[in-house]
Amino acid sequence: AQKITQTQPGMFVQEKEAVTLDCTYDTSDPSYGLFWYKQPSSGEMIFLIYQGSYDQQNATEGRYSLNFQKARKSANLVISASQLGDSAMYFCAMRSETGANNLFFGTGTRLTVIP
Amino acid sequence: DAGVIQSPRHEVTEMGQEVTLRCKLISGHNSLFWYRQTMMRGLELLIYFNNNVPIDDSGMPEDRFSAKMPNASFSTLKIQPSEPRDSAVYFCASSLLRTGYGYTFGSGTRLTVV
Repeated sequence: AQKITQTQPGMFVQEKEAVTLDCTYDTSDPSYGLFWYKQPSSGEMIFLIYQGSYDQQNATEGRYSLNFQKARKSANLVISASQLGDSAMYFCAMRSETGANNLFFGTGTRLTVIP
Repeated sequence: DAGVIQSPRHEVTEMGQEVTLRCKLISGHNSLFWYRQTMMRGLELLIYFNNNVPIDDSGMPEDRFSAKMPNASFSTLKIQPSEPRDSAVYFCASSLLRTGYGYTFGSGTRLTVV
């Protein structure tokens, strides 16, 4: 069974500072993918970044980077230079790359950027 | 590319009525996922299709829920009869099932059953 855990219900960060959103996972699959999505107050789900379990380097997409520590089963999202528009819910998700293809989501972290 | 298109955006219906939610996939994608989001349960997968074939419907709450994919680009999720506890935001997402390929979500349908 797959499980995604996000232990931070809410986080605050000062504008222009960096913030780390935690995500740990559990799976027995040898190959899997980890995703982060942003859900602003308008409700849409926006794909941010992907990390494959066999990727040697941490994924980066603009101001987003994924701190992937495979042995610790963690896939934390780092947002650098926070902007007011980053205020949203952030979801970590996982998908097996060898079995079922559905995406399992964590419970989310609500990030608030303070001016 | 117009993205994943869901309709309606909002639906308010009375208990016992039939509700049909619609989803148009991104052209070329071969997988379709229906999710439900509530405050209590978060994002739950209801059902997903690969190449128009339902693969896993274990998340469908009960027989009142049914989903179809009559062709490669369109899907419906039907609730009959609807109940107040079905009130939620329903998302569909499409993907090209390939390692590293993300899922694109529609804007969601906010369903309220009164």
